[in-house]
Amino acid sequence: DAKTTQPNSMESNEEEPVHLPCNHSTISGTDYIHWYRQLPSQGPEYVIHGLTSNVNNRMASLAIAEDRKSSTLILHRATLRDAAVYYCILIPSGTYKYIFGTGTRLKVLA
Amino acid sequence: AAGVIQSPRHLIKEKRETATLKCYPIPRHDTVYWYQQGPGQDPQFLISFYEKMQSDKGSIPDRFSAQQFSDYHSELNMSSLELGDSALYFCASSLPRKNTEAFFGQGTRLTVV
Repeated sequence: DAKTTQPNSMESNEEEPVHLPCNHSTISGTDYIHWYRQLPSQGPEYVIHGLTSNVNNRMASLAIAEDRKSSTLILHRATLRDAAVYYCILIPSGTYKYIFGTGTRLKVLA
Repeated sequence: AAGVIQSPRHLIKEKRETATLKCYPIPRHDTVYWYQQGPGQDPQFLISFYEKMQSDKGSIPDRFSAQQFSDYHSELNMSSLELGDSALYFCASSLPRKNTEAFFGQGTRLTVV
C-alpha cells in the first residue's frame, strides 16, 4: 500500500487559512486521496476526497499536485472547532481499505 | 440523520475473557469497516466487509473474528483477551460504491483488566 507523510503538528490563528500538506510519492494512478479528521474521543470524520482534480466542499478544499505525488487540504478560515488530528489517506482502487497513517495535529490559537 | 451505531459504548472484561462488539451501519450502507485505536495511537485497520463478504483484511489478530449479517450489521468477536487489546474500537460504514466517504461511529471503549 502507498504511504503518506504529514507533518506531526501545525498551528494556526483563528480566522486565518490553514494549508495542511501531505506527501504521497508512491501513489498509483488509481489511488483516491481522502482526508479525515479526528476530534478528541470521537470517531474520525470525513472531510474531502479526490482523484486528480482539485475539489471543494462546504468544509474545505483539496488541492492535488499535477503529478499527484502530494496534496494540500485547505481550511479557508480556521475556527477553534477545527482543532483536530487530520489524516491524509490513500484508498487503493477496488478496495475497501482505508489505512490511517500518522496525521497532523492542528492547533488553532484564539 | 442516522449515524453509525456501536454497542456497547464501554466494556470492561478480564484477561482471557471474550468480548463481542456490535456495529449497525447507516441505512443503505452495505460496507462495514472495523478499526482499533490504542491510547495515543492512530486508528489501525482491522477488517472490512462488502455485501456480507469479507473484503479486505488488515492487522487483525487471529484471536479476533468478524462477520456481517443479512441485515448488514456487523459483529467483532474477540477471544482470549489480553491487556494490550484495551483500545477504542471504531466501526465505519459506506455506500456500495468504492472510494466513497466512510462514516464512523462513536466507538466502543474496551478495557481489559
